[in-house]
Parts: sequence; C-alpha cells; structure tokens
Amino acid sequence: AQSVSQHNHHVILSEAASLELGCNYSYGGTVNLFWYVQYPGQHLQLLLKYFSGDPLVKGIKGFEAEFIKSKFSFNLRKPSVQWSDTAEYFCAVTSSGTYKYIFGTGTRLKVLA
Amino acid sequence: NAGVTQTPKFQVLKTGQSMTLQCAQDMNHEYMSWYRQDPGMGLRLIHYSVGAGITDQGEVPNGYNVSRSTTEDFPLRLLSAAPSQTSVYFCASSSPGQGIPEAFFGQGTRLTVV
Repeated sequence: AQSVSQHNHHVILSEAASLELGCNYSYGGTVNLFWYVQYPGQHLQLLLKYFSGDPLVKGIKGFEAEFIKSKFSFNLRKPSVQWSDTAEYFCAVTSSGTYKYIFGTGTRLKVLA
Repeated sequence: NAGVTQTPKFQVLKTGQSMTLQCAQDMNHEYMSWYRQDPGMGLRLIHYSVGAGITDQGEVPNGYNVSRSTTEDFPLRLLSAAPSQTSVYFCASSSPGQGIPEAFFGQGTRLTVV
C-alpha cells in the first residue's frame, strides 16, 4: 500500500535559519507529489506540487522542493525562514490516474522571532 | 469564487446523536473527499466520490455515511456520534480530469462529541 513518511514531527528554528523537511513515499509507479501548509486555525493550502519535468519545483513564499526518484523523496526547503512560517506542513502523494491522496503525519514548525 | 465551503465550523454533539456535515464546491470538480485530522496522525481519508452518484470508502469509513446527488454537494453523516469521532473534519475537491489534481480544502469543522 502507498504510504508517506515525514520523519520530523516537530522542528524549532530561529528566524533566518534554513529549513529542510523530509518526505519519503512508498510507491513504485508514477506519482504526483504535494506539500501543503496549515497555519494555526486554518485549512490546508497548497505550497507546491510536482507532476513531471524539472525535479526542482518552486512554490509560494520562497519554498522549494526537490523530487529525487531514486530515493523516493520530496523534501521541502527554504533558505531563510520567517516567524510567519510557523505552521504545520504536510506532504502528500497521489499515483497518476487515481484520485486518492495519501498524507504524511505532518511536521509542526515553530519559528522563534 | 467561494471554492470549498463547509458548515458548520464548530459543533458539539452528545454521544448517540446524529448530524450532517455539509460540503459544497463551486468549481465543478468531479472528485470530492472527506478527511479527519487528528493530532500526530495527519489527514485520514473517510469517504470519497469521483462523481455524482458514485462514492467509495477510504481508510476510516466506519460510523460515517456519504452520498453525492449533485456535483456540487458532498455531505458527511454521522449516524450515532461517539467520542472517538471528536476531530477536525476537512472536505476537499479536485479535478484531475481538468488537469487540476491538487486538492482544494474547506475551512474545516471542529466536532466535539461528549
């Protein structure tokens, strides 16, 4: 069965620090990959997505992610975090041709001002 | 463009009561789904629908019913509420057939069962 692993459950950083959140998935076929962000008390919003092409994708608010097929990974990065990036981040995967999303358990990021 | 609208935002139920969580989308998306979000468990799929008249079970369907009579609406029914159903519920829609596979989420319903 498909699964998504996010190994960092809680991350605390100071402003201007660099961020990398890990995401690994298990599925052998073609996949679509997503990172969503959930700010406190709000719904999930799409940060970025990968379907095909350049494995380095750029999203909103300075976030980017790199798809490494050989490692089944889709890690999220940001060079310099801000206090406003405090949120929970979810990695998700769908296999091409299906509608069902599989979400990771999420990573809570706290950025200290 | 309202997107995905969920009502109510908050609800408190007594054990054994029934209720319906409403979800409507105005983007003509064919795919709609319901998730529950619990601390440390991410989002788990309850039920989903790939079009009007078609529904199927997700990962945690027990205690919930759904129907899809129109493209726009996808209500989630709790038949007999239990404390284990205390959670935040999110409805989502997407349209892979239109080249839009990313899910759009509603604002969520925070349900407490006492």
